[in-house]
Amino acid sequence: DAGVIQSPRHEVTEMGQEVTLRCKPISGHDYLFWYRQTMMRGLELLIYFNNNVPIDDSGMPEDRFSAKMPNASFSTLKIQPSEPRDSAVYFCASNNRQGRETQYFGPGTRLLVL
Amino acid sequence: GENVEQHPSTLSVQEGDSAVIKCTYSDSASNYFPWYKQELGKGPQLIIDIRSNVGEKKDQRIAVTLNKTAKHFSLHITETQPEDSAVYFCAARPGDSNYQLIWGAGTKLIIKP
Repeated sequence: DAGVIQSPRHEVTEMGQEVTLRCKPISGHDYLFWYRQTMMRGLELLIYFNNNVPIDDSGMPEDRFSAKMPNASFSTLKIQPSEPRDSAVYFCASNNRQGRETQYFGPGTRLLVL
Repeated sequence: GENVEQHPSTLSVQEGDSAVIKCTYSDSASNYFPWYKQELGKGPQLIIDIRSNVGEKKDQRIAVTLNKTAKHFSLHITETQPEDSAVYFCAARPGDSNYQLIWGAGTKLIIKP
């Protein structure tokens, strides 16, 4: 298995621009998690999906952030408009409810908003 | 809600020595405690986990202990090697959650040659 795939790996953009991060979970996994990691705040859960349905989005910082999962193999996290304080590493993780609780993380997208 | 505290934030040990990282949690109903290792430029990866019905678990040089009464759990790495250098995260799954994890702040482990 290829593992969780995220794109792009690096993104540099200017304040005010729209940013879209992409994630392909491991095939057969029905939970998908979006995390943000910064030095100041550590690893924060933003939102998670079960069977493509958002379950808990209480971690989404502002209305500028939105996430979708149109099908079982694809999810996006969008920031519009982006701000410098959004600079962070964004991780996607997935797992399978069939008795396996391990969250498998992707390599992350390093976002820099200038 | 659940809160997880992790100490120390940085740990430097001599190669070959042991390293211990400790975490405390607040929700007595939490029932699953994984440890993840994050290498530079990569996502966290599970290295060991323990459930609330077990007090200790070992996997080669790595062990985790759980004290439910005190609500703390620890990661023990023996005979440390350079490749153990990484950031380690503990986490706890609250009793009212199926798959959500509450994460500690992380410990940067440095193995000195």
